[in-house]
Amino acid sequence: QVQLQESGPGLVKPSETLSLTCTVSGGSISRYYWSWIRQIPGKGLEWIGFIYYSGSTNYNPSLKSRVTISVDTSKNQFSLELSSVTAADTAVYYCSKVTSGYWQFDLWGRGTLVTVSS
Amino acid sequence: DIQMTQSPSSLSASVGDRVTITCRASQSINKYLNWYQQEPGKAPKLLIYAASSLQSGVPSRFSGSGSGTDFTLTISGLQAEDSATYYCQQSYITPRLSFGGGTKVEIK
Repeated sequence: QVQLQESGPGLVKPSETLSLTCTVSGGSISRYYWSWIRQIPGKGLEWIGFIYYSGSTNYNPSLKSRVTISVDTSKNQFSLELSSVTAADTAVYYCSKVTSGYWQFDLWGRGTLVTVSS
Repeated sequence: DIQMTQSPSSLSASVGDRVTITCRASQSINKYLNWYQQEPGKAPKLLIYAASSLQSGVPSRFSGSGSGTDFTLTISGLQAEDSATYYCQQSYITPRLSFGGGTKVEIK
């Protein structure tokens, strides 16, 4: 079955760019939407944005100026870049598959903790 | 932005109890409401989509209802493994997907 796995540095310095990759295994990345969601430890969930396999994107307006989501269909991967990070960006970052009918996140990766600290 | 308010923020119930969690939207979202379960240390899991449709593989003791601004998630016959935090998510306005604050369910 389809599985998602996040990867990337667990520690990023303030003002730098956070970069994460989600690898989709057990199925094709094509014909679906894919998303990034984050969760500050002990807090709720925040949607970051999503991308269609064709490359079209949609971002949370509160993060839009700092976020870029891209897709590499040849590698069955999609990626997140979040620029100018601060301690407030410390969170567990999840990648997810999205079904467009009701925009439900129907499959999730295990998540990866990214800490912003010098 | 559409605000999603869940109540209660936490509850404690016994095995076998019927548990109801409420999610209220700040404006009508039709049936664009999804529910998730997050066990401690794990990723969220989709339970209900489109307010009342049960995701494949989810036990039938979970059910959802509502439309417009008021929605409920019901667990009929609480099990020990249902100890988790539950989140609602609105998808009425696509560029502004948002989640409720969560309801923590504990087993007595």
